[in-house]
Amino acid sequence: EVQLVESGGGLVQPGGSLRLSCAASGFTFSSYWMHWARQAPGKGLVWLSRINSDGSSSTYADSVKGRFTISRDNAKNTLYLQMSSLRAEDTAVYYCGRDSEVRGGVIDCWGQGTLVTVSS
Amino acid sequence: DIQLTQSPSFLSASVGDRVTITCRASQGISNYLAWYQQKPGKAPKLLIYAASTLQSGVPSRFSGSGSGTEFTLTISSLQPEDFATYYCQQLDSFPLTFGGGTKVEIK
Repeated sequence: EVQLVESGGGLVQPGGSLRLSCAASGFTFSSYWMHWARQAPGKGLVWLSRINSDGSSSTYADSVKGRFTISRDNAKNTLYLQMSSLRAEDTAVYYCGRDSEVRGGVIDCWGQGTLVTVSS
Repeated sequence: DIQLTQSPSFLSASVGDRVTITCRASQGISNYLAWYQQKPGKAPKLLIYAASTLQSGVPSRFSGSGSGTEFTLTISSLQPEDFATYYCQQLDSFPLTFGGGTKVEIK
């Protein structure tokens, strides 16, 4: 069974940093592009970043470019999102997702999400 | 960035109703569109990609159509488990973007 499990969320002060992890299982992790997206409380989905299968290429939304870094460890089947200079507006549930083989950008499997709260 | 506008943002319907949700793109995106369903407190679930291709395991009462700038998601006969929020997403170019969502509630 394909499974993605996020961890690392929590309460952080404005200006602080946090690293999210996404543990993958049930598929050949190293063959797939991966994504991060988020959802602020009561709001819609926002795509944040993607990384290619070997980690050599990544793309970011303008809202997080320069503050967030996506990376992966294929040996550990784990995706990461390093977040720095956090702001109150970064408060959200963060989801990792697997890119579909049939069409790039389609997210065919999502984790359950991890909540990040930025507050003093 | 490509903007996606969903309508309506809220829909009240009864079990058995035919429901149609529209997604309009700010520029042409061919058929590079996906639809997702999200229930409260849960992760999104892929329903349709390439505008009209049903994801494996998704009931056939869901269908998608459209190309260019206008797309629709149709539920032919609404079931109790279909009450949720639905999002469209464009895959044409980065940054990937989602529509604002359509919440389907029980009448």
